[in-house]
Amino acid sequence: AQSVAQPEDQVNVAEGNPLTVKCTYSVSGNPYLFWYVQYPNRGLQFLLKYITGDNLVKGSYGFEAEFNKSQTSFHLKKPSALVSDSALYFCAVRDWGTGANNLFFGTGTRLTVIP
Amino acid sequence: DVKVTQSSRYLVKRTGEKVFLECVQDMDHENMFWYRQDPGLGLRLIYFSYDVKMKEKGDIPEGYSVSREKKERFSLILESASTNQTSMYLCASTSEGENLQDTQYFGPGTRLTVL
Repeated sequence: AQSVAQPEDQVNVAEGNPLTVKCTYSVSGNPYLFWYVQYPNRGLQFLLKYITGDNLVKGSYGFEAEFNKSQTSFHLKKPSALVSDSALYFCAVRDWGTGANNLFFGTGTRLTVIP
Repeated sequence: DVKVTQSSRYLVKRTGEKVFLECVQDMDHENMFWYRQDPGLGLRLIYFSYDVKMKEKGDIPEGYSVSREKKERFSLILESASTNQTSMYLCASTSEGENLQDTQYFGPGTRLTVL
């Protein structure tokens, strides 16, 4: 069975400061991990993914994520937050229990960047 | 760029009505998905389809059905809408890529209110 935990419903950070949005996972197969972002009244947009290789994955808009197998974590990071980064962020893991590239999503973390 | 479109951004229906939500993708993707998004619950998979006329139940299929008569179009049907189906509905698609690592692409969402 697969599961994804985003332990923080809300993260507040000052503009210009580094940000971290946390994600831990449990998966029975290979951990294919994804981050998506949702801006107000919009669908989800893909940010980055980890499939294999380098544990530090770089994605869109200056975001990166670090895969840590021992801690089963895939935290999203950015060195310097922008007000425009304020959005809802979802971590997801490939669902190996079904076919068709299904993803299992976390409950989301709302990021607010304070000017 | 992949484009996933949904027929309505906002929809208001009455209890007991039959509701159709349409989703179209233009990238010849094999796999299509319907999710509902609720605060604190993240995204939950309703149904998915991996080919024309094929469908599989997701985590919360009760009260819903789907139709996929053409590869590019995936419809979600609420046979008799109820107030607990008030939600944001998101459609997604992905190709049957090698190693099943392809990204899901999302539509803008339909916010359905059932009165």
